[in-house]
Amino acid sequence: AQKVTQAQTEISVVEKEDVTLDCVYETRDTTYYLFWYKQPPSGELVFLIRRNSFDEQNEISGRYSWNFQKSTSSFNFTITASQVVDSAVYFCALSAGTGANNLFFGTGTRLTVIP
Amino acid sequence: GAVVSQHPSWVICKSGTSVKIECRSLDFQATTMFWYRQFPKQSLMLMATSNEGSKATYEQGVEKDKFLINHASLTLSTLTVTSAHPEDSSFYICSARVGQTPGEQYFGPGTRLTVT
Repeated sequence: AQKVTQAQTEISVVEKEDVTLDCVYETRDTTYYLFWYKQPPSGELVFLIRRNSFDEQNEISGRYSWNFQKSTSSFNFTITASQVVDSAVYFCALSAGTGANNLFFGTGTRLTVIP
Repeated sequence: GAVVSQHPSWVICKSGTSVKIECRSLDFQATTMFWYRQFPKQSLMLMATSNEGSKATYEQGVEKDKFLINHASLTLSTLTVTSAHPEDSSFYICSARVGQTPGEQYFGPGTRLTVT
């Protein structure tokens, strides 16, 4: 069975602080994909990143960075120098198995950046 | 590219009526589309997988007679909530599969349904 856990329900930070959103996943498949999505107040999901299980290289995109560690089944997301526009709900998701289509979402972390 | 639209963006209906939500892939063909439901402050839950030209596959616990899904063309899938009740009030989101990468989906903007 597939499962994604985002233990942090809500996080508040002051603008310009760094913040890390945790994501722990469970799957028995050796081939899987991990995703992060941003859902701003408008509701539309914004794709941030996809990472496959064979690529543990960390990734940086501007102020965003992702740390993938198979040893701990974690795929954490860090925002550096947070901005008010980063305020949103962030979802971690998992797709597992060859040819799998389904996305299993975590419960999301609501990030509030205080000006 | 890979834009998915939904219509309407929000709808209010009376209890007992039916509501149809459209999901369109605007610049690509989608053989597979997905319907999700999201209750306030909760995660997205997959309701069903819609395949063009065939019957939808519903997740466990989702009433297929209540949530009718039709994927009549490669660019359009519809979700009809029949005999809606207040507990059906939710945010409904569709997505379309792009390419062959598992899990690679582009999401529509969502439809907020309120049943009074």
